[in-house]
Amino acid sequence: DAGITQSPRYKITETGRQVTLMCHQTWSHSYMFWYRQDLGHGLRLIYYSAAADITDKGEVPDGYVVSRSKTENFPLTLESATRSQTSVYFCASSDSLQVPPKTQYFGPGTRLLVL
Amino acid sequence: GIQVEQSPPDLILQEGANSTLRCNFSDSVNNLQWFHQNPWGQLINLFYIPSGTKQNGRLSATTVATERYSLLYISSSQTTDSGVYFCAVGMNYGGSQGNLIFGKGTKLSVKP
Repeated sequence: DAGITQSPRYKITETGRQVTLMCHQTWSHSYMFWYRQDLGHGLRLIYYSAAADITDKGEVPDGYVVSRSKTENFPLTLESATRSQTSVYFCASSDSLQVPPKTQYFGPGTRLLVL
Repeated sequence: GIQVEQSPPDLILQEGANSTLRCNFSDSVNNLQWFHQNPWGQLINLFYIPSGTKQNGRLSATTVATERYSLLYISSSQTTDSGVYFCAVGMNYGGSQGNLIFGKGTKLSVKP
């Protein structure tokens, strides 16, 4: 029972390249989230999804694309990576049926470096 | 949007000491969570506490929603408590879940 996993854990890419970060959860949680963590900013929400095929923008969505064709997967794509997207990316999930409800559980993170 | 302020930004403790971390927020919320990020980067949910008081071992938390603050208490601190503590708040409407806004965290270092 892996819970919530992210891949890759580390990624180096170049400016202008497309990069996809994967997130997979085994709990069948309805909600999934993508955050980025930068020094001085804490965690900021990029996109979230309330269910399969339902996604919505968070605080910092520009330059990112998400999809959710299956409940358990929530990939995040950087269509044309920029240096400002160098960050640590966290995926999280939660479910209103949890006790306590709406607690968010985080993956281990992906460290992305854009050169 | 909702502003979240955490204090102090940095805290150094000797092992065995107690501490109180504070989270102030600027608007009404019905979702408040405390997280611990360990030195390896893993984020762990500590409490879901939009109001009231909860305890889990040496940790406890109190949220006074009417006064827009929450406190996280750490008693008899251990070196494994080191890391960054985040407060996150949000509003949930009906069965849906609103976004969580994170504070910038309190970095705790516990010395042996």
